[in-house]
Amino acid sequence: QKEVEQNSGPLSVPEGAIASLNCTYSDRGSQSFFWYRQYSGKSPELIMSIYSNGDKEDGRFTAQLNKASQYVSLLIRDSQPSDSATYLCADAGGTSYGKLTFGQGTILTVHP
Amino acid sequence: DTAVSQTPKYLVTQMGNDKSIKCEQNLGHDTMYWYKQDSKKFLKIMFSYNNKELIINETVPNRFSPKSPDKAHLNLHINSLELGDSAVYFCASSQDRSNQPQHFGDGTRLSIL
Repeated sequence: QKEVEQNSGPLSVPEGAIASLNCTYSDRGSQSFFWYRQYSGKSPELIMSIYSNGDKEDGRFTAQLNKASQYVSLLIRDSQPSDSATYLCADAGGTSYGKLTFGQGTILTVHP
Repeated sequence: DTAVSQTPKYLVTQMGNDKSIKCEQNLGHDTMYWYKQDSKKFLKIMFSYNNKELIINETVPNRFSPKSPDKAHLNLHINSLELGDSAVYFCASSQDRSNQPQHFGDGTRLSIL
């Protein structure tokens, strides 16, 4: 049974700080990972995808993947109160035909 | 223009009833999904269709039956609704059945009385 683990939080950071969200996964064959942001009462919104080891940057967001350690992270620089949401890590697996396995999500609160 | 749209947005019904949720995507994607998000916000896949063919069928009670009339539509019919079916159901789509990003609809909040 494939598993994805996240610290459920809440993670609280001051405005302007770096928020660091972490995720570990159990399937060594997994190739693709996604980070989704979900505001309360809304649908998950894709913010980052990462397919290879290393860092991938997009604006204030940086995703990091370490396949040897089976670890994925998301850094949010210059955090804003509008970043307050639940962040979901998803493992797309290696050959699972699009089946996403989600972590339980980390609640992030950015306080002014 | 909404990319993945679901109807209805809210569904309140009594135990034992049968209900359907509809989903449509205008992204031209080949693959569509149904997910269930429970009260603890845990999001779990239920079904996936690729070009009208069922490719993922997780351990879901037989009371749940998906149907894809064409690749732009994926509906979910639920028979004999139970209290435990109360959840938010999300439809999603992706370009194809490989590990492409999935785009979610707004969700249908199902409440069983």
